[in-house]
Amino acid sequence: SAVISQKPSRDICQRGTSLTIQCQVDSQVTMMFWYRQQPGQSLTLIATANQGSEATYESGFVIDKFPISRPNLTFSTLTVSNLSPEDSSIYLCSVEAALANEQFFGPGTRLTVL
Amino acid sequence: DAKTTQPPSMDCAEGRAANLPCNHSTISGNEYVYWYRQIHSQGPQYIIHGLKNNETNEMASLIITEDRKSSTLILPHATLRDTAVYYCIVRVYGTASKLTFGTGTRLQVTL
Repeated sequence: SAVISQKPSRDICQRGTSLTIQCQVDSQVTMMFWYRQQPGQSLTLIATANQGSEATYESGFVIDKFPISRPNLTFSTLTVSNLSPEDSSIYLCSVEAALANEQFFGPGTRLTVL
Repeated sequence: DAKTTQPPSMDCAEGRAANLPCNHSTISGNEYVYWYRQIHSQGPQYIIHGLKNNETNEMASLIITEDRKSSTLILPHATLRDTAVYYCIVRVYGTASKLTFGTGTRLQVTL
């Protein structure tokens, strides 16, 4: 298993600002994923982040709005830019080691945009 | 990835077995069935996965029909802490690919 931490755990931001969310894993992992969970909804994948390459974004998500960094095998950041109230969600990172076939999730970051 | 269908909600008395069904009629031969659960305000937690044989671990049992078009997750002795949303997901094994979450089943365990 992997232990994942996210910072911040929650934040309240003003419209038009940005929030950067950090995801730290206690072991080296190949794949990291960022998900969004809007209020009362299921999880939706934003992008897949591999170390040393550009993140791969899902349909409906763009790099300008959700830039991602993956500087090493234990860390990633997701920035949510130009915030609007519609960005109020829980953002979760998950990891999967090669051949593990299980994804482990962080506790999530609850973002509220006023 | 194949689509899954689950009932939106179920109730179960504490101490009884909770049987959560999932339909995945379009599953491909190389796709596994995964179950995750999400307890309120937490990240999803892996429960179990399987291909065609029944699987059991310390958390649950997974029963997959012979034609693989449906499966059932069994929590043998449900407790209040098992109250959560349970997601059935099909995914190609070994690809480290994304998980496509459906709407899941909200299981309420009651006294």
